[in-house]
Amino acid sequence: DAGVIQSPRHEVTEMGQEVTLRCKPISGHDYLFWYRQTMMRGLELLIYFNNNVPIDDSGMPEDRFSAKMPNASFSTLKIQPSEPRDSAVYFCASRGQGREQYFGPGTRLTVT
Amino acid sequence: AQSVTQPDIHITVSEGASLELRCNYSYGATPYLFWYVQSPGQGLQLLLKYFSGDTLVQGIKGFEAEFKRSQSSFNLRKPSVHWSDAAEYFCAVGPRGGADGLTFGKGTHLIIQP
Repeated sequence: DAGVIQSPRHEVTEMGQEVTLRCKPISGHDYLFWYRQTMMRGLELLIYFNNNVPIDDSGMPEDRFSAKMPNASFSTLKIQPSEPRDSAVYFCASRGQGREQYFGPGTRLTVT
Repeated sequence: AQSVTQPDIHITVSEGASLELRCNYSYGATPYLFWYVQSPGQGLQLLLKYFSGDTLVQGIKGFEAEFKRSQSSFNLRKPSVHWSDAAEYFCAVGPRGGADGLTFGKGTHLIIQP
């Protein structure tokens, strides 16, 4: 199995631009999670899906953030408009019948 | 609210020496417990997990962890570290009911001295 796939691995954008991060979960996993990692706040859960349905988005920091999961093999996290304080590493993770989550390599976002 | 405390931000250990990384949690009930490792520029890799049963769990790369309910702790250990163990280590908890995301500690940065 290829594991969780995220793209792009690195993204540099200017403030005000739209940013879209992509995730492909492990095949057969029915839970998908988006996390953000910063030096100040560590790893924080943003949102998670079960069977493509958003279950809890209470961690999404602002309305500028949105996430979708149109099918079982693809999810996006969008930031519009982006701001410098959004600079972070964004991780996607998926989970199957077990309780452990498997993480992708992350997308390092830099907003200038 | 649940929380995870990793009291050591940095730990330096000589290669070949033993290692213990501390983790304490605050939770309404005994959660599921995990240790993950993150190498620079990489994602998080699961080292081991505790769900129930034997409180001493074995993981990959020679790591083990012991769950102590009375101390709300889940410390990670390794008898002899290798230079390749240098990384960031995260303790995490998850609820037994539902499917909420994991709550992570702030991490412990492990430095290996030659």
